[in-house]
Amino acid sequence: GAVVSQHPSRVICKSGTSVKIECRSLDFQATTMFWYRQFPKQSLMLMATSNEGSKATYEQGVEKDKFLINHASLTLSTLTVTSAHPEDSSFYICSASRTSGVNTGELFFGEGSRLTVL
Amino acid sequence: AQRVTQPEKLLSVFKGAPVELKCNYSYSGSPELFWYVQYSRQRLQLLLRHISRESIKGFTADLNKGETSFHLKKPFAQEEDSAMYYCALKEGAQKLVFGQGTRLTINP
Repeated sequence: GAVVSQHPSRVICKSGTSVKIECRSLDFQATTMFWYRQFPKQSLMLMATSNEGSKATYEQGVEKDKFLINHASLTLSTLTVTSAHPEDSSFYICSASRTSGVNTGELFFGEGSRLTVL
Repeated sequence: AQRVTQPEKLLSVFKGAPVELKCNYSYSGSPELFWYVQYSRQRLQLLLRHISRESIKGFTADLNKGETSFHLKKPFAQEEDSAMYYCALKEGAQKLVFGQGTRLTINP
């Protein structure tokens, strides 16, 4: 199968601190990964497209200096929420599609990371 | 502008009854559509995609370009179908845009 793993699954931090969330493709390579944000009982909102070896592409309204994305290898993308505030509390989900082999367009999702900023 | 619309936030049917989850889209090119499902306490996963014309877990979805719809259907609902269902539209090479989601509850 194609497994995407996120870490940590839950994190609580104080206001003003920075938090890093990792997204790994465990058994496949992913040139592109996606970061979504999900508010309670709402849909997934795409935040940015993470490209291996280059800058991320952010969706309109998403602050790139606030949500730093690094995609240093074909199996790892990180999202850093800088100077977190309570309004950043949310469920963050990453996804990836296969780079090699048969690309059916299917996205494989991580289990999500719940961030709570106190 | 809303690109994927799921008009029903909640849908409740009895076991054995037919189910239809509605999805409408707005896209200027040739659309590629998917249904993703999220069962309780599990991650989001692909249910089916329109290009494969497959039936998964008894669910089917037909792309209707005239009505710009991709409704998900199942003739006889089962309790294990209770979940959150998201319709998604592929934009560009890989980006997916999701609808608001429909929470389906199957009553015994």
